Amino acid sequence: KQEVTQIPAALSVPEGENLVLNCSFTDSAIYNLQWFRQDPGKGLTSLLLIQSSQREQTSGRLNASLDKSSGRSTLYIAASQPGDSATYLCAVIYSNSGYALNFGKGTSLLVTP
Amino acid sequence: NAGVMQNPRHLVRRRGQEARLRCSPMKGHSHVYWYRQLPEEGLKFMVYLQKENIIDESGMPKERFSAEFPKEGPSILRIQQVVRGDSAAYFCASSGPGQGNQPQHFGDGTRLSIL
Repeated sequence: KQEVTQIPAALSVPEGENLVLNCSFTDSAIYNLQWFRQDPGKGLTSLLLIQSSQREQTSGRLNASLDKSSGRSTLYIAASQPGDSATYLCAVIYSNSGYALNFGKGTSLLVTP
Repeated sequence: NAGVMQNPRHLVRRRGQEARLRCSPMKGHSHVYWYRQLPEEGLKFMVYLQKENIIDESGMPKERFSAEFPKEGPSILRIQQVVRGDSAAYFCASSGPGQGNQPQHFGDGTRLSIL
């Protein structure tokens, strides 16, 4: 069964800290991996998309890496701010499962002032 | 540049009624995906459509659920004879051509509550 797992399930850090969110997937044959942010009662905001041929993507204070061979991705958030508080979701499109995103259950992040 | 638009934002139905959820993709996008988020669970894929075609419905329940994306107008997810277990947030996403190479952009979802 193709699964996506995110660790930790919840994380609380003081403002200003750098932090890492982890995502693992069970099959290295993927099209791409996408990181999203979800605020309570809202939809998903796409943060970064990493193609299977890429190793990392960067946007502002966010950096996402991809290691297909080990089935892992990390989302690095630099200099965290209270506005970063949200649930962060990792999703993978497996090569043999069409075009469906397979989601982890997310990491709930709280950045305290 | 409007994003993915879903309506209604909240929908309340009694058991046995029909629920119709609408999704207008981002401008220029012709690929639409529906996902469901049950309480305390992750998002699960339901169906992938292009204009007038269902490409992949492997995540759709076998009965009561149907989806369409007509040539004109929004994509519709239809749930007939709703039951309490249908209560969930339903999200629509769209993408441009290129299938797996393009990011999927999500709407704010429809929260469906069954009384």
